[in-house]
Amino acid sequence: DGGITQSPKYLFRKEGQNVTLSCEQNLNHDAMYWYRQDPGQGLRLIYYSQIVNDFQKGDIAEGYSVSREKKESFPLTVTSAQKNPTAFYLCASKELGQHYSGNTIYFGEGSWLTVV
Amino acid sequence: SQKIEQNSEALNIQEGKTATLTCNYTNYSPAYLQWYRQDPGRGPVFLLLIRENEKEKRKERLKVTFDTTLKQSLFHITASQPADSATYLCALDNGGSQGNLIFGKGTKLSVKP
Repeated sequence: DGGITQSPKYLFRKEGQNVTLSCEQNLNHDAMYWYRQDPGQGLRLIYYSQIVNDFQKGDIAEGYSVSREKKESFPLTVTSAQKNPTAFYLCASKELGQHYSGNTIYFGEGSWLTVV
Repeated sequence: SQKIEQNSEALNIQEGKTATLTCNYTNYSPAYLQWYRQDPGRGPVFLLLIRENEKEKRKERLKVTFDTTLKQSLFHITASQPADSATYLCALDNGGSQGNLIFGKGTKLSVKP
């Protein structure tokens, strides 16, 4: 089935640790995104990438890092510099077009990260 | 910068009634607006898109309106069912050339039998 696969679904991080969330898509989409969702909050953009080997900071990039070595993969590392990492993380992808084309964004099932 | 508001955090209605959810934005009019459904612990799923030159869009029991004068979109679910219970998010383009979306906080709809 085509779609976006995120893993793991649940992840626990100890203080001072870096953790990496995996995101793979087989939709052949150029653009990929990472969002963070906190209870009662909207989705906030962490990083995005529109082409392999290139990515841009979103609204809340501090304490996070990404890579885009392959078109289908966009892993997110939550570093120890992120002081409040407990949240629900969503990976997404979409086809690129004209910015007003409104192409649908497809989401993965999300990953829960908890600091212990 | 563009801001987006979904006025109600939660909406409770009786089965069979029409649910109406509101999405307001400030500043410039977006080229389009989208609505998504999110179930607990899952990723959002796309429902409908409406463009700035469209007043209304329908899909089965769903209807979306777009009023660029009021800077508002309304999302209607007619003949609501308990299975419609979920959080509904509106999203619109942030005005940048990248085509990134900004999302509202969502409205949690509960349909009681």
